[in-house]
Amino acid sequence: EVQLVESGGGLAQPGRSLRLSCAASGFTFDEHAMHWVRQAPGKGLEWVSGISWNSDNTGYADSVKGRFTISRDNAKNSLHLQMTSLRAEDTALYFCVKDTCSGWSGDCYPAMFDYWGQGTLVTVSS
Amino acid sequence: QSVLTQPPSASGTPGQRVTISCSGSSSNFGSNTVNWYQLLPGTAPRLLIYSNNQRPSGVPDRFSGSKSGTSASLAISGLQSEDEADYYCAAWDDSLNASWVFGGGTKLTVL
Repeated sequence: EVQLVESGGGLAQPGRSLRLSCAASGFTFDEHAMHWVRQAPGKGLEWVSGISWNSDNTGYADSVKGRFTISRDNAKNSLHLQMTSLRAEDTALYFCVKDTCSGWSGDCYPAMFDYWGQGTLVTVSS
Repeated sequence: QSVLTQPPSASGTPGQRVTISCSGSSSNFGSNTVNWYQLLPGTAPRLLIYSNNQRPSGVPDRFSGSKSGTSASLAISGLQSEDEADYYCAAWDDSLNASWVFGGGTKLTVL
């Protein structure tokens, strides 16, 4: 059974940093791209970042580019999101998501996010 | 404002058939497939439809998807109370800032 368990969320002041983690199990982690998707309170889903199976390629939404860094540790089946210079608009539930492809940019068929975690809540407030 | 456009709400009575639309553009729907996700409060989002009209194992055949040109739709037949949820369409977007994009979501209410 595929399991994705996020951790690391919490309350942070504007301008500060947080590091999210995702523990993956139930599939061959180093064969799949992974993503972070977020949902702000009362808002829709927003793709945040993606990383290829071997970390060679990464992508970011414009809203977080230059502030967030995605990484993975295939030896530990874990995914991370380092968030810096946090803003109030980063307040959201952050989901760890598995891709069916090895690359993060929809470069296989069928490309989809087939498993999601339950999310970890990040609140940015003074 | 979301790249993909969905109606904010939809509703139906038990047993009824409802459809949810999703409008895109040539940079996303033009050459890429559409996926649909179901969000229930307190649970992990669930893949409902992939590649425009394919159902993952475990998804009831009451759920179906279609795509034509730059529009897609999700249909739910034999509506059940447990279908009350938020539904999102998604696709890869090939524009200058290539990324995955989502619709704004549709809240389905079962009356």
